[in-house]
Amino acid sequence: QVQLQESGPGLVKPSETLSLNCSVSGGSITGYYWSWIRQPAGKGLQWIGRIFTTGTTNFNPSLKSRVTMSVDSSKSQFSLNLNSVTAADTAVYYCARSKFWAGGFDVWGQGTMVTVSS
Amino acid sequence: DIVMTQTPLSLSVTPGQPASISCKSSQSLLHSDGKTYLYWYLQKPGQSPQPLIYEISNRFSGVPDRFSGSGSGTDFTLKISRVEAEDVGIYYCMQSIQLPMYTFGQGTKLEIK
Repeated sequence: QVQLQESGPGLVKPSETLSLNCSVSGGSITGYYWSWIRQPAGKGLQWIGRIFTTGTTNFNPSLKSRVTMSVDSSKSQFSLNLNSVTAADTAVYYCARSKFWAGGFDVWGQGTMVTVSS
Repeated sequence: DIVMTQTPLSLSVTPGQPASISCKSSQSLLHSDGKTYLYWYLQKPGQSPQPLIYEISNRFSGVPDRFSGSGSGTDFTLKISRVEAEDVGIYYCMQSIQLPMYTFGQGTKLEIK
């Protein structure tokens, strides 16, 4: 059974870069789309972007200028970088898997809380 | 962007009774490949979202058959035939036709009476 585990700093200072990793276990990272989704406390879900195992990326237009993603198939990991963060980026960040280009998210990580504060 | 609108935003249901949640999209979710990319998720308290339904009406593996999805085009419904205590949480619909941009509904909170 495929499992995803997010990791990274729980506290990031304003204007700095938020960096998270997602480790894939119990299955292959190859051939799937890997997304990041976030959820501010008490609010709904916002898709941030995704990466295919070839390195092809797609991003939410509202965040595109600040987001980069990468994948390391040898380590079964993919990562998110969000730069120039503000308090509005405080949220629980989830990684998730899609099986094809329009696929929904069939596997989710447990989420990691990131707070932006000085 | 495609806007997903759910109603109601909250509902309180007696165990054993049915429940229904509506999701309307601002554009048709029917793709030229014949599939409609509408999904349903349940986020139980303190947990990450879990998948329920894909492509309008197909249950993900392990989802109880008391959950069913229906609809077409822009109007969709999630029904729970007999609500159980473990069904509490927030239900979200999501579209994936307008890529690269997944969008979710605002969520519907289900409580038990």
